[in-house]
Amino acid sequence: EAGVTQFPSHSVIEKGQTVTLRCDPISGHDNLYWYRRVMGKEIKFLLHFVKESKQDESGMPNNRFLAERTGGTYSTLKVQPAELEDSGVYFCASSPRDRVYEQYFGPGTRLTVT
Amino acid sequence: AQKVTQAQTEISVVEKEDVTLDCVYETRDTTYYLFWYKQPPSGELVFLIRRNSFDEQNEISGRYSWNFQKSTSSFNFTITASQVVDSAVYFCALSEAYDYTGANSKLTFGKGITLSVRP
Repeated sequence: EAGVTQFPSHSVIEKGQTVTLRCDPISGHDNLYWYRRVMGKEIKFLLHFVKESKQDESGMPNNRFLAERTGGTYSTLKVQPAELEDSGVYFCASSPRDRVYEQYFGPGTRLTVT
Repeated sequence: AQKVTQAQTEISVVEKEDVTLDCVYETRDTTYYLFWYKQPPSGELVFLIRRNSFDEQNEISGRYSWNFQKSTSSFNFTITASQVVDSAVYFCALSEAYDYTGANSKLTFGKGITLSVRP
């Protein structure tokens, strides 16, 4: 069974540009989470999808971030326009409906905004 | 608000030494869950253990053991006879009690502890 995959693994963009991160959860997992780790700090929650619906988006920093999960499969996280403080590693995790606590994480996307 | 504190930032040991990674948490909930994750150089977070707040029994899994003490709000992780392959970043995390819908299942992480095991 394939794990959680994320694309790209690394992205370098200039301030003001747009970047879209993609996450493919484990097949059949209803729950999908986005987290972010800024250098030297904690991994922080961004939002949680249950299928295609946003269950909790309390961690989204501002309206420059837009997350979607069309059809309840893969998810995208768009940052527009990117700022320097958006740099960090963005993790995606998924878990099955009957074992919500088993969050499987992807390898992360390292975003560098210059 | 929930908070997880991992006061140790970096630990370096020689292979075969025992090492304990500390985790202290804060929560107002009476029901909650505690986790440990390992992040090897490949980057993904690997789930190690989950413990709920009603189960204070310590757990042992091979060379790994966990000590949960509600009285001190701690959930410490010990690796016995460490090996080079144990080198990684270790994260402690906390979540509220969640229901079948997954509500409140988000994780609150500590800053992580970088463990280096030297041959």
